[in-house]
Amino acid sequence: QVQLQQSGPGLVKPSQTLSLTCAISGDSVFSNIAAWNWIRQSPSRGLEWLGRTYYRSKWYNDYPVSVKSRITINPDTSKNQFSLQLNSVTPEDTAVYYCTRDLSGRFDRWGQGTLVTVSS
Amino acid sequence: DIVMTQSPDSLALSLGERATINCKSSQSVLYNSNNKNYLTWYQQKPGQPPKLLIYWASTRESGVPDRFSGSGSGTDFTLTISSLQAEDVAVYYCHQSYSSPWTFGQGTRVEIK
Repeated sequence: QVQLQQSGPGLVKPSQTLSLTCAISGDSVFSNIAAWNWIRQSPSRGLEWLGRTYYRSKWYNDYPVSVKSRITINPDTSKNQFSLQLNSVTPEDTAVYYCTRDLSGRFDRWGQGTLVTVSS
Repeated sequence: DIVMTQSPDSLALSLGERATINCKSSQSVLYNSNNKNYLTWYQQKPGQPPKLLIYWASTRESGVPDRFSGSGSGTDFTLTISSLQAEDVAVYYCHQSYSSPWTFGQGTRVEIK
């Protein structure tokens, strides 16, 4: 079955870059029906969609305006995984970060979650 | 952005009672070309990621007990738990994927009285 395994540091200093990776098993990052997303959750902001990458004969990305200037979501086709980079972090970026698979608009598989704390 | 508003914020019911959670979107999430509402319900228990329960407003995900059902169309939706069980204690979220950016409701906490 499809599983998503997250990895990355749990502590990032202010102004630095948050980097997480999501390894996919049981599906392909090249899937023509799935999109690969990052979502975060915090008490102050609730569940917040951060963006996605997906392949439909070529690679596409989609980000909300709220983070578009600071975020990159990239596929790593050699390792069947995808990554999140969020630049210039502040304490407001402290949250649990999840990677997810999106099938026709529903997030049907989730990573285990990574608590990322932004603090010096 | 489409704003998703859930009600109530929390509810406490006895075992076996019916739970009703409402979700209202600030604009329609009905996709006319396929007549599907891009409205999804999730259940989240402490320390776990959200779990998919219902998609396209009323289609139950495989393996989800049939006491969970979804209804509604356009802007108004309901998640119903027909007979509340102890394992249903959780926070429930609605989510729209009609228009980017995808957005979520604030959550409804369900507890046992």
